[in-house]
Amino acid sequence: GIQVEQSPPDLILQEGANSTLRCNFSDSVNNLQWFHQNPWGQLINLFYIPSGTKQNGRLSATTVATERYSLLYISSSQTTDSGVYFCGRGGAGSYQLTFGKGTKLSVIP
Amino acid sequence: DSGVTQTPKHLITATGQRVTLRCSPRSGDLSVYWYQQSLDQGLQFLIQYYNGEERAKGNILERFSAQQFPDLHSELNLSSLELGDSALYFCASSKGGHQPQHFGDGTRLSIL
Repeated sequence: GIQVEQSPPDLILQEGANSTLRCNFSDSVNNLQWFHQNPWGQLINLFYIPSGTKQNGRLSATTVATERYSLLYISSSQTTDSGVYFCGRGGAGSYQLTFGKGTKLSVIP
Repeated sequence: DSGVTQTPKHLITATGQRVTLRCSPRSGDLSVYWYQQSLDQGLQFLIQYYNGEERAKGNILERFSAQQFPDLHSELNLSSLELGDSALYFCASSKGGHQPQHFGDGTRLSIL
């Protein structure tokens, strides 16, 4: 089946540091989304990014569909960025998302 | 606030019982997805509805069923519950096709 792999599995950052999270997928992509699951369990959609680059404040994302990966950049991290970051991939004709296992981010003051 | 409403937030029940989880999608969204999040399986797709019709099925057990009503709200029915069904069940909605999916806060199901 389709595989979605995220790295690193765990990341600990000092407040103010920058980080890059990676998502590799084993097949072509028509739909790539990044989510943040906060400590209360809520899943927040950060980006819908099947290709190209988008920025939203301190966060930006890039998907290189031809090379089957996506990156999420977090700059000047804050403690509120803590949580688990998931990428979800959808392919041609299948609108549901296949998720990776996530990257658990802990930002310490 | 994603605009997707799920009820109840928490549900505690016993093995062998049946429960119904409810989801109201964002205004204007026609597609509803159900996902299950557990410690061992991660986030897994269960089933999708679009404008009242089933569109895709994932790893959904035969003991589970769902439907989407004319007002577009959806219900996920879980029966003959087992301990392993304990999980966080999410509903997500989108306009349809390859569009951003917005998740509700989930229903945390605990089987005792």
